[in-house]
Formats: sequence, structure tokens, C-alpha cells
Amino acid sequence: ETGVTQSPTHLIKTRGQQVTLRCSSQSGHNTVSWYQQALGQGPQFIFQYYREEENGRGNFPPRFSGLQFPNYSSELNVNALELDDSALYLCASSLVGGGAKNIQYFGAGTRLSVL
Amino acid sequence: GENVEQHPSTLSVQEGDSAVIKCTYSDSASNYFPWYKQELGKRPQLIIDIRSNVGEKKDQRIAVTLNKTAKHFSLHITETQPEDSAVYFCAASLNDYKLSFGAGTTVTVRA
Repeated sequence: ETGVTQSPTHLIKTRGQQVTLRCSSQSGHNTVSWYQQALGQGPQFIFQYYREEENGRGNFPPRFSGLQFPNYSSELNVNALELDDSALYLCASSLVGGGAKNIQYFGAGTRLSVL
Repeated sequence: GENVEQHPSTLSVQEGDSAVIKCTYSDSASNYFPWYKQELGKRPQLIIDIRSNVGEKKDQRIAVTLNKTAKHFSLHITETQPEDSAVYFCAASLNDYKLSFGAGTTVTVRA
């Protein structure tokens, strides 16, 4: 059973640029959730994807968008980067449906620095 | 939305002693409460979880208690070891959907 993998591990961008982060879900999982973790804080929910559709969103602006692909992998896109977007971005995969408990398993994250 | 508060923010214990971390939540509809451990530079790992239909759950040296009336839940680690040093996060959710996390507790176990 493969775990959740994220790429890249580190990324440096400048203000105003766009970035795409990638997540491969754990084998057998069909749902991906994205979280932003600022330094010294708990993860904050950005959105969740289930069956290639956004299935709920946290308090993040529209310049945060995502995709889920037929193989259940996912992308997080952030446009018009701001300095405050500097954070660790975590994705978590889970299995939803069929009586599954939807336990979320996290990847190691992508550390984004916006200069 | 759900608001989770976690205390203390830092906790230093002597090896072999117990550690207790407490969390409160605001949404009485929340029914799933996981705890994650995050070591420096590593992914958050689920260490134990509890659902609202039980009051206590134990797994070896780790236990979690839930008081639905007071809307608080706690993590108890007994016989602490150096490898227990990490940041611990509590979270709350409704039907396993989005997790609302506390701010974290940095636990240091002194040898």
C-alpha cells in the first residue's frame, strides 16, 4: 500500500506568480483534502475533492483552486501569490463511501516560500 | 464554523511521567475527533481518534477522553518516552469531513 506523496517538497516563488502543487493519494483512496499550515499553527482546511468535484471549501479566496483526476490524484493551484501564502501545504487522502471511516492520511507537504 | 482551542501550547515532562493535552470545540454537531502527531519536518500522523458515541478510547500508552456535554476532549500519554517528543494536534469534524485543527502542543520529554 503506497502512502500519500506530494511534489515538489520545496518551492520558492515571487509575489504575483502562480504555483501548482501536486498530490498522489494513497492506494484505494478516492478523496483528497488540502490544508495550509502556517508556521507554528495548525493546518487550515482549503478544500476537498471527491469524484473530481470540489466537495466543500474553507475560508480561502477564489485564487486558490484545485483539480482531481480520474486516478484520484489532485492539484492545488494558487494564482497571484501573496507573501502570506508562504506556508506548508498538506494534502490528505481518504476513502469515502461504502461504510468507510474517512480517516485522513497526510502527505509530507510542500513548503512554499513567497518572496 | 467549528473553532478548536488547544492547551497548553508547550508541555515539558520528565521521561516516565504522564502528559495531558486538552481541546475544546464549539460546534456541538461535531462527531469525530482525531489526534495527530507531527515530528519536525514530517507529515502529521494519526495516533488515535474517537467518535461521539464513546467516551474513552485507549491504545497502549495513549488514551483519549471525550465529554460531549462540555464539548472538550483530551489526550493522555502515560510513561512518556523521548520519542514522544513532537507537536500534537487535536481536530474536530462532522461526519469525517473537513478537519478543524487546534493550534498544536509542542511536547518535550526530558531524559
